[in-house]
Amino acid sequence: DAKTTQPPSMDCAEGRAANLPCNHSTISGNEYVYWYRQIHSQGPQYIIHGLKNNETNEMASLIITEDRKSSTLILPHATLRDTAVYYCIVRAPAGAGSYQLTFGKGTKLSVIP
Amino acid sequence: DTAVSQTPKYLVTQMGNDKSIKCEQNLGHDTMYWYKQDSKKFLKIMFSYNNKELIINETVPNRFSPKSPDKAHLNLHINSLELGDSAVYFCASSQAIWNYEQYFGPGTRLTVT
Repeated sequence: DAKTTQPPSMDCAEGRAANLPCNHSTISGNEYVYWYRQIHSQGPQYIIHGLKNNETNEMASLIITEDRKSSTLILPHATLRDTAVYYCIVRAPAGAGSYQLTFGKGTKLSVIP
Repeated sequence: DTAVSQTPKYLVTQMGNDKSIKCEQNLGHDTMYWYKQDSKKFLKIMFSYNNKELIINETVPNRFSPKSPDKAHLNLHINSLELGDSAVYFCASSQAIWNYEQYFGPGTRLTVT
């Protein structure tokens, strides 16, 4: 799986959009970008994933650059409850005995009142 | 309705003891996982079961033995507990082995003294 690079921490004002970047310059053509988050003392929570098109759901939007070497998770109106560690994971479709997600260090997002 | 539940939430025990952590999911998923999150917050896959069959068995001491009595349950038994086993253990499930949209339980904080 391609390696990802995320800033260790970010701040965002409450009510503003939080834009969390992820660099995955070695991504392969069949690898998806997944985003999870972990709120303090809770289990990780799936947010969104995409291959090459931009994706949106009720939680967030995922913007993937045309060359697919980077992506941005957007929380449109951050609230205090969005304070968490956000993980960007690049993963090929399951197969050849490889079925797991590998979590890195992520970005600690602090939403400030 | 809790999708993925774990018991107990906290477990404090002495070195050398044997303990079990239970996990249940009511999502009808085929695949279940155990993850370990250490004090440095790294989240690592330990085991994965698909339809009650072991799929992933990462480099984990054989003191750890998962058991899946049915698709909805995946328990983790740990023999001869050591100080280094202290961590938060998360159970997760996904619809299928190839689906990386995983749902995590609330975690079990194990402290070995």
